[in-house]
This record gives sequence, C-alpha cells and structure tokens, in this order.
Amino acid sequence: NAGVTQTPKFQVLKTGQSMTLQCAQDMNHNSMYWYRQDPGMGLRLIYYSASEGTTDKGEVPNGYNVSRLNKREFSLRLESAAPSQTSVYFCASSELRGYGYTFGSGTRLTVV
Amino acid sequence: TQLLEQSPQFLSIQEGENLTVYCNSSSVFSSLQWYRQEPGEGPVLLVTVVTGGEVKKLKRLTFQFGDARKDSSLHITAAQTGDTGLYLCAGRMTTDSWGKLQFGAGTQVVVTP
Repeated sequence: NAGVTQTPKFQVLKTGQSMTLQCAQDMNHNSMYWYRQDPGMGLRLIYYSASEGTTDKGEVPNGYNVSRLNKREFSLRLESAAPSQTSVYFCASSELRGYGYTFGSGTRLTVV
Repeated sequence: TQLLEQSPQFLSIQEGENLTVYCNSSSVFSSLQWYRQEPGEGPVLLVTVVTGGEVKKLKRLTFQFGDARKDSSLHITAAQTGDTGLYLCAGRMTTDSWGKLQFGAGTQVVVTP
C-alpha cells in the first residue's frame, strides 16, 4: 500500500546512545517532516524538508539531525540520546507545503 | 503555549449522542485541517477548510471554519463507537511563508456502546 513507512516501531535507548529513525514515502511527495508527539503538547515540528538536499529547523530541533537522502527518504538522527527525547516520533509527507499530510505509524522511543 | 487551543481535552459520550470539538487561536490561518488519530497509528487527514465561513460535511461529521479564519469546529452527529479517537486540528498560518502546519494538542473522544 502507498504511504509513509517508518522503522523501527519501538526502540529503547540508554542515555548517550545514538540511533537513526528511518522514513520512506512512495507517493512522490516533495515535502517531508519529522514531528514528536508528547502527552498534552500535540505534535511539534522537529525538522522539515522542502525537497531533496534541503532541510530546515522546526520548533524543537535541538539534539536532532536530519538527512534528506533522496526524494523518498528522510531520516532523523539522535546523536546522544537524553531522557527528554522519550516520545513518539512521526514522519509525514505532503505534495504541497502545508497541505494534506500523510503520516507514518510512528516510532515509540524510550530513553532510560 | 499552544498556538491552537482545542477544547475540550477529553470527551466521553454514548453512542447516538452528538458532540462538538473546538479549535481556537488568536492567529489567522490560510487553511485549517482536521485529523483523526487512533492508538498506535499516525494521524489521518479528515478535511481541509480554506475559506472563512466554509462548512464541509463528511457523512456524520460537519466541519466549520470561522469567518475570521481564527477558529474551527467539528460536530459529530449520532456518534458511533468507530468515531473514538484523538481529533487534532492543524493550521497553516498566513504569516508563515513556508506554510508549515501548527497542531493543537488534540481532543480525545471516547464513544461507548
């Protein structure tokens, strides 16, 4: 089925460890986004990408890096995980900027 | 502080009842979208409204965009258990040249048999 695929679905990290969350979309969308979702705070934008090779910081970029490898893939890296990064992470894509996002099913990350 | 305030935060009703969820802001939006999210899944787009005063209907769901494009509401008629989920509003601010979406914190709706 067409859509946004995120891996892994669950991950537990120790403080200071690093990891990369993978995201791929097969809808030929130009724009891609990484959000985190925390209870009572809604979805907050971490980074976004208008097109291959371009990335911009969102509302909460500290502690994260991203790579737009090609049009399909947009990865999120935590270089040194902290307990404050415990959250559910969602990748999304859209054909037009700011319209009709398609979300992946999320990665639930726990940092201990 | 959320740019988009949703109310109520939680709503529990019985099947057959009606409900309304509100999304308010002091900012003007060029468009506003509503999503529904089920446990363990990502949000799924329900509707996009772009014109002040616009009303859109999706079966038993009615969406309205305020005249000043600062607020929106979602009304569900004769709720069913399948309507259970987290309802999120998201707006594209007129002051954001890129057009990023701002999300509300969501309203958790539980419909019991």
